[in-house]
Order: sequence, then C-alpha cells, then structure tokens
Amino acid sequence: DAGVIQSPRHEVTEMGQEVTLRCKPISGHDYLFWYRQTMMRGLELLIYFNNNVPIDDSGMPEDRFSAKMPNASFSTLKIQPSEPRDSAVYFCASSLDPSYEQYFGPGTRLTVT
Amino acid sequence: QKEVEQNSGPLSVPEGAIASLNCTYSDRVSQSFFWYRQYSGKSPELIMSIYSNGDKEDGRFTAQLNKASQYVSLLIRDSQPSDSATYLCAASNQGGKLIFGQGTELSVKP
Repeated sequence: DAGVIQSPRHEVTEMGQEVTLRCKPISGHDYLFWYRQTMMRGLELLIYFNNNVPIDDSGMPEDRFSAKMPNASFSTLKIQPSEPRDSAVYFCASSLDPSYEQYFGPGTRLTVT
Repeated sequence: QKEVEQNSGPLSVPEGAIASLNCTYSDRVSQSFFWYRQYSGKSPELIMSIYSNGDKEDGRFTAQLNKASQYVSLLIRDSQPSDSATYLCAASNQGGKLIFGQGTELSVKP
C-alpha cells in the first residue's frame, strides 16, 4: 500500500491568497483526519471525516478554513484568505476506526508571507 | 489540566542505555493509547499501541499502561543514535478523537 498521500509537499504563498491542500487516504480506511502542527501548539486536530461525512470540525480555527471529502479516496483542506499565522505543517491521517492506529501522510509545509 | 501531558525534554541518554519516556492523561481520555515517533521534518510514525493495563513489548520497545495512576510510558532498551527523535504520546477520548501530548525530545549520544 502506498500509504497516505498528500500534495503539495511544500507551499509558499502570499497573504490573502487561497491555499488548497490535498489528501488521499489509505484504501479501505473509513476515517480521515486533518492536523496542523506548529512549535507553539504542537499537533492539533482540525477536522475528521467518517465515510466522507464531517464528524467533528471543532478544531477548525475559523471560517477561513474549510474541508471537504467528495469521495472515499480524496479530501481537501482549503484556506481562504490565508494569513501568516497559518504557516505550519498540515498532516492528513487515516484509520479504520478513530480509536485505533492512525497513519500519517508526509505533510504539507505551508508558508504564508 | 491538559488531556495528555509529557515532559518536553530534551532527554539525553548514552547509547546502549534504557530510555524512559512518560506521559500522564486526564479522565477525559481513557480509551486507547499510542506512542508515535517523529523525526525532524518527518511525519509521526506509530511505534506502539496499548489498550489495557500492563506491559506490551515489541522488540526493544515496551509500553506500560497504568490506568489507576493515569500514566503510560515507553521504554526503549539498548538505545541507539537512530532512536533520537521526538516521541509523541496520544490518547483517544470518548468522542473518538486522538489527543496528542507536546512530545518529548530524545537524544541518544554515541
């Protein structure tokens, strides 16, 4: 199995621009998670999906962030408009069950200038 | 109290020694417990999972769970320089979410 796939691996953009991060979970995993990691706040859960349906988005910082999962093999996390404080590494993870092991993708390092 | 707490370190041990990493958790998380290893610039990688009280061994790694005292630990025997990384403790809460600690940085000196 190829594991969780994320793209792009690096993104540099200017403040105010729209940013779209992409994720392909491991085939057969019904749960997909989006995390953000910074030095100050560590690893934070933003949102997670079960069978393509958003279950808990309480970690989404504000309305500028949105996430979709149109099918079992693809999810996007969008930031519009982006701000410098959004600079972080964004990870996607998937699992068979939220109480079981989660497998992480390589992450997208976002820099907003 | 944070749901999952770890000493941020850094923890430094000589090569060949036992590294002991500790994590405490609150009543809000109590289902399943995990240890992840994260090398600098890489994604978290699952090392161990533990669901019930006691010890669980896998090679050089042993996870210990004590629900009465609300702590979970990871022991690394015969530590190697390649074990140098940040170790993240995680626990699932009743809502099914995984809550991560801040991580403990481990440095194994040759």
